[in-house]
Amino acid sequence: EAQVTQNPRYLITVTGKKLTVTCSQNMNHEYMSWYRQDPGLGLRQIYYSMNVEVTDKGDVPEGYKVSRKEKRNFPLILESPSPNQTSLYFCASSPLWNRVADTQYFGPGTRLTVL
Amino acid sequence: AQSVTQLGSHVSVSEGALVLLRCNYSSSVPPYLFWYVQYPNQGLQLLLKYTSAATLVKGINGFEAEFKKSETSFHLTKPSAHMSDAAEYFCAVLDTGRRALTFGSGTRLQVQP
Repeated sequence: EAQVTQNPRYLITVTGKKLTVTCSQNMNHEYMSWYRQDPGLGLRQIYYSMNVEVTDKGDVPEGYKVSRKEKRNFPLILESPSPNQTSLYFCASSPLWNRVADTQYFGPGTRLTVL
Repeated sequence: AQSVTQLGSHVSVSEGALVLLRCNYSSSVPPYLFWYVQYPNQGLQLLLKYTSAATLVKGINGFEAEFKKSETSFHLTKPSAHMSDAAEYFCAVLDTGRRALTFGSGTRLQVQP
């Protein structure tokens, strides 16, 4: 089944404890992206990747890191999480970065709470 | 910068009634517009998208939206609501440079029996 998977789905952690949220897609998509969803704000892009080893900042990149060493994986790293990073996180992918209106497929979300 | 505004954070309709969810966009270039639906505890699913072809776009589950340039609108409609339509709906415009979707704040649709 074609899908975007995220792990973990739920995570409660404490301030300053490094964590990684994994994202994987099995559709051979070039483009991948991370969003965070906060009440009343919709979704905002954190980082994106046009292809392997190509990443760039989105609208709200502060406090996050990403890497894209393989086409299928795009992990989101919080080196020192803070309570304002408590949010619902979504990974998304789409087939080709240069095909503008390709549909973006979203993962099921990771609910992160930072105490 | 591109943006979308969704009017009404909550909309309640009766089963069988017309669904109308409003979205207005702001863009200096011809926009690519999307409607996504989010069911409780799930990710976002694409309902439909406008990519400058036909102005009336048909999507899944009986939804459709009409692009009106003069009104800078892309409202989502469904002739007859079903209980299973209860969800949160997001309008989004695509930043073609970053391929980033800029989402509205969402509209939660309730369907009353």
